Amino acid sequence: AQSVSQHNHHVILSEAASLELGCNYSYGGTVNLFWYVQYPGQHLQLLLKYFSGDPLVKGIKGFEAEFIKSKFSFNLRKPSVQWSDTAEYFCAVYNTNAGKSTFGDGTTLTVKP
Amino acid sequence: NAGVTQTPKFRVLKTGQSMTLLCAQDMNHEYMYWYRQDPGMGLRLIHYSVGEGTTAKGEVPDGYNVSRLKKQNFLLGLESAAPSQTSVYFCASRHDGSGNTIYFGEGSWLTVV
Repeated sequence: AQSVSQHNHHVILSEAASLELGCNYSYGGTVNLFWYVQYPGQHLQLLLKYFSGDPLVKGIKGFEAEFIKSKFSFNLRKPSVQWSDTAEYFCAVYNTNAGKSTFGDGTTLTVKP
Repeated sequence: NAGVTQTPKFRVLKTGQSMTLLCAQDMNHEYMYWYRQDPGMGLRLIHYSVGEGTTAKGEVPDGYNVSRLKKQNFLLGLESAAPSQTSVYFCASRHDGSGNTIYFGEGSWLTVV
């Protein structure tokens, strides 16, 4: 069965620190990859996505993610976090054959001012 | 353009009561989903629909029923609410031709006492 693993459940950083959130998936077929963000009290929204082409994708608010097919990974990065990045981040994998999405358990990021 | 709208946003139920959550989308999306979000467990798919008049079970369908009588609406029903169904429920939709990005509603907070 398809699964998505986010390695860190809770990450605490100081402002200006660099961020990397890990995401690994288990499905070996064709996938589309996503990172979603949920700010406190708000709904989920798309941060960035990868379908094909350049494996380094850039999203909103300075976030980027790199797809490494050999490692089944899609890690999220930001060079310098801000207090406003405090949120929960979800990695998701869309199985194009089955037509289904699977989400990771989420990583809560707390940025201290 | 309202996107995905869920009602109600908050509800408290007594054990054994029934209720229906309504999801409406105005983007003419074929696919609609109901997820529940619990701490440490990420988003889990309850039921989904690939088109008007069709529904299918997701990961955690027990205790829930759904209906998709109109393309724009996807209803989630709890026939006999249980405390284990206390959760935040998210509706989502996507268009098959849009690159598989899922659009989420703002969430419905349900407490069963």
